[in-house]
Formats: sequence, structure tokens, C-alpha cells
Amino acid sequence: DGGITQSPKYLFRKEGQNVTLSCEQNLNHDAMYWYRQDPGQGLRLIYYSQIVNDFQKGDIAEGYSVSREKKESFPLTVTSAQKNPTAFYLCASRSQGAYEQYFGPGTRLTVT
Amino acid sequence: GENVEQHPSTLSVQEGDSAVIKCTYSDSASNYFPWYKQELGKGPQLIIDIRSNVGEKKDQRIAVTLNKTAKHFSLHITETQPEDSAVYFCAATPGGMFSGGYNKLIFGAGTRLAVHP
Repeated sequence: DGGITQSPKYLFRKEGQNVTLSCEQNLNHDAMYWYRQDPGQGLRLIYYSQIVNDFQKGDIAEGYSVSREKKESFPLTVTSAQKNPTAFYLCASRSQGAYEQYFGPGTRLTVT
Repeated sequence: GENVEQHPSTLSVQEGDSAVIKCTYSDSASNYFPWYKQELGKGPQLIIDIRSNVGEKKDQRIAVTLNKTAKHFSLHITETQPEDSAVYFCAATPGGMFSGGYNKLIFGAGTRLAVHP
């Protein structure tokens, strides 16, 4: 069963704690992305990676960090430096040379 | 940078009617324009896309048109059904796909479509 998985679906954390969101894909895609979605807004790019061990900042990278040690995995860490971490986080992937980006089911993070 | 504006923010139609959602973009180098459908609590699903060398593309009840001169593109849904109710997002590629390493998408703010039986 191919696709993109994100875990957990819901995540709750206390303010001041770092938290890592998981994203795994078995589509053999080279490029992977993290987006943030807030109510009433479109998706905004946090980080993206085109190949293993390489990643680039998106439009709202402050307070986030990523790693890309394996082709199939692209975890996102929301650090305590992120001022408004509560949001819906979406991971996507794309095959090299293709245009289409496919999204996972998302993780809803709530920080109190 | 690229800016994508999407209208309307909400759209309510009767089952069987047509629905049209419009987007404008600012970067004339953008060359790929996907549309996504997002149901409540789920990730966006790619429903149709169009490249800048094509003016129109159709897939059953869904069609997309592109006007490069005016820098706008539209999603058309005919014979709407209650299961079409969702939030729809348009997107564009700043700098063009595969140009200078850019392969990200800039999204519009979304349109909440409600189809009433």
C-alpha cells in the first residue's frame, strides 16, 4: 500500500517543549516538503528537500528544523523558538522530474 | 515573490449547478498550476493541474482554464454533487518548475464550496 504517512494524527505539547513530527513515504520520491496550514489560510512552505542530506528553507522556516538522512523520511522538529506552533502540518512528496506534489493526511499540533 | 489570490472565499450552490473558482498569480514565469481538494481534517488531494503550454484541460466534471496573458486560471465544476463540498486550493510555481531549483508551490487562501441537495 503506497503513500505518505504522517504520525501522529493529533499531538499535544506544553509550551517550551520541542516536538518532532514524522513523515514517511514509500513512493520512492526524491523531493519532500513540509507545509503549515492555519485556519482560513492557504498552505505555507516551511522546508523542502530535493535529495538525501540536503534541504532548503521555505518561506516560514524560523523556529523549525528538519533532517533528511533517508530518502523515505523527512521529520520536522517544531522548536520552542516557534512563536505560534499550533497549526495543521502537512508533508508532501514529488518524484524527480515530475510536477505533481502529493500530500499526507497531516498532523494537528496543539501547544498550550 | 509570487503571490496567488483566490476568489471567492466561500461559494454555495445547489446540487446540479456549476461552480467556478478563480485565481490570479503575479510571477509571469510560473508554468504549473495545480488544484487541490481538501476535506475536513484531511490532507489536500490533487484533482487537476495545468501547465503553461496548455489553455484548457478537462477531466469528467472538472475543468481548468489558463489565461497566461492575464495571469489567471480557473476551476470549473459542472453538475455539482454534495460530495464536491470541500475546500479547494489553487497554487502556482514561482520561477517556474525546474527553473533554478525552484519546485515549490505558492497556494491561494482557499475556497469553501458547499453543495446543497
